[in-house]
Amino acid sequence: DAGVIQSPRHEVTEMGQEVTLRCKPISGHDYLFWYRQTMMRGLELLIYFNNNVPIDDSGMPEDRFSAKMPNASFSTLKIQPSEPRDSAVYFCASSFTRPDTQYFGPGTRLTVL
Amino acid sequence: KQEVTQIPAALSVPEGENLVLNCSFTDSAIYNLQWFRQDPGKGLTSLLLIQSSQREQTSGRLNASLDKSSGRSTLYIAASQPGDSATYLCAVPQGQYSGAGSYQLTFGKGTKLSVIP
Repeated sequence: DAGVIQSPRHEVTEMGQEVTLRCKPISGHDYLFWYRQTMMRGLELLIYFNNNVPIDDSGMPEDRFSAKMPNASFSTLKIQPSEPRDSAVYFCASSFTRPDTQYFGPGTRLTVL
Repeated sequence: KQEVTQIPAALSVPEGENLVLNCSFTDSAIYNLQWFRQDPGKGLTSLLLIQSSQREQTSGRLNASLDKSSGRSTLYIAASQPGDSATYLCAVPQGQYSGAGSYQLTFGKGTKLSVIP
């Protein structure tokens, strides 16, 4: 198995632009998590899905952030409009049955100028 | 709200030395604790998961202990090697995934370990 796949690996954009991050979970996994990692705040959960349904989005910082999971093999995290403070590494993780056994993707490093 | 602290933030040791990484958490009502490894530019990899009923968990040169009553866990690395250089994070769960409601892992900020050849 290729593991969790994220794209792009690096994204540089200007303030105000729309950013879309993509994630393909491990086949057969029924949980999908989006995290954000910064030096100041560490690793924070943004939102997670179970069987494509959002379960908890309380970590999404504000309305500029949205996430979707249209099917079991694909999820997106969108930021519109982006701001410099959104600069971080965004991780996607997936798990099967037990959400405490998570497999992480390599992350997307986002820089907003 | 659960808070997880890892001290020190960075640690440098010579190759071959045994070392201990520390993790503390504020809410002792946890049912497990995990240690993860993060290599630069990569995601996290789970190393050890300790259930609350266990005191220790071992994998190769790694040994993790859990003391719920004191809100502490340690990760012991024996005979350290340059390949052990990475950031080590601990995480505890909030909520119960088997029931109603939400579930999430709360992570410490990690200890960056450098093993010098």
